[in-house]
Amino acid sequence: DTGVSQDPRHKITKRGQNVTFRCDPISEHNRLYWYRQTLGQGPEFLTYFQNEAQLEKSRLLSDRFSAERPKGSFSTLEIQRTEQGDSAMYLCASTLQGSNQPQHFGDGTRLSIL
Amino acid sequence: ELKVEQNPLFLSMQEGKNYTIYCNYSTTSDRLYWYRQDPGKSLESLFVLLSNGAVKQEGRLMASLDTKARLSTLHITAAVHDLSATYFCAVDSNYGGSQGNLIFGKGTKLSVKP
Repeated sequence: DTGVSQDPRHKITKRGQNVTFRCDPISEHNRLYWYRQTLGQGPEFLTYFQNEAQLEKSRLLSDRFSAERPKGSFSTLEIQRTEQGDSAMYLCASTLQGSNQPQHFGDGTRLSIL
Repeated sequence: ELKVEQNPLFLSMQEGKNYTIYCNYSTTSDRLYWYRQDPGKSLESLFVLLSNGAVKQEGRLMASLDTKARLSTLHITAAVHDLSATYFCAVDSNYGGSQGNLIFGKGTKLSVKP
């Protein structure tokens, strides 16, 4: 069990650029979640997948955000035309649906918009 | 809409003392989680509480759940410096069904001083 892996760990970009983050969940986990965390706050839900199906999206997920999990394994989160307010830590978590396990979190990708 | 409130948000304790962190949530749920987060790190699962009256203990930490009162507590016994971290309570948004996304409290930043 290598845990949830996220890449990159840090991303600095200029406003208006597109960015993409990757998450590799724990291998046997069929549920994959994306959250966003800003300084001093708890994580906020963005979206989640069961296998390759995107089951739910938060109202926080504007049309500039898109997420995929094409083969039910790794997932990508893309932000187009980044804005200052997108600066945050983006966390990925995974779990096995029906197992009553907690969600296991990755180390996150910290996004800074210049 | 499910809301999760933690208090206190900041807690400064002396080593050796006991204290309790409270987590209230606004609508019925049957899964509650406690996580720990160290500065710049991701979230580490501490406890999973799945039923009314559930009590879990690990070392100096003990968590309990009262689903009728919609209240969970995290009790710290004889605090030591290593417990300094931010503690989050999170509630599953999907009552009565499969696991959904988590709604987090704002966290309690605990500082244990000698």
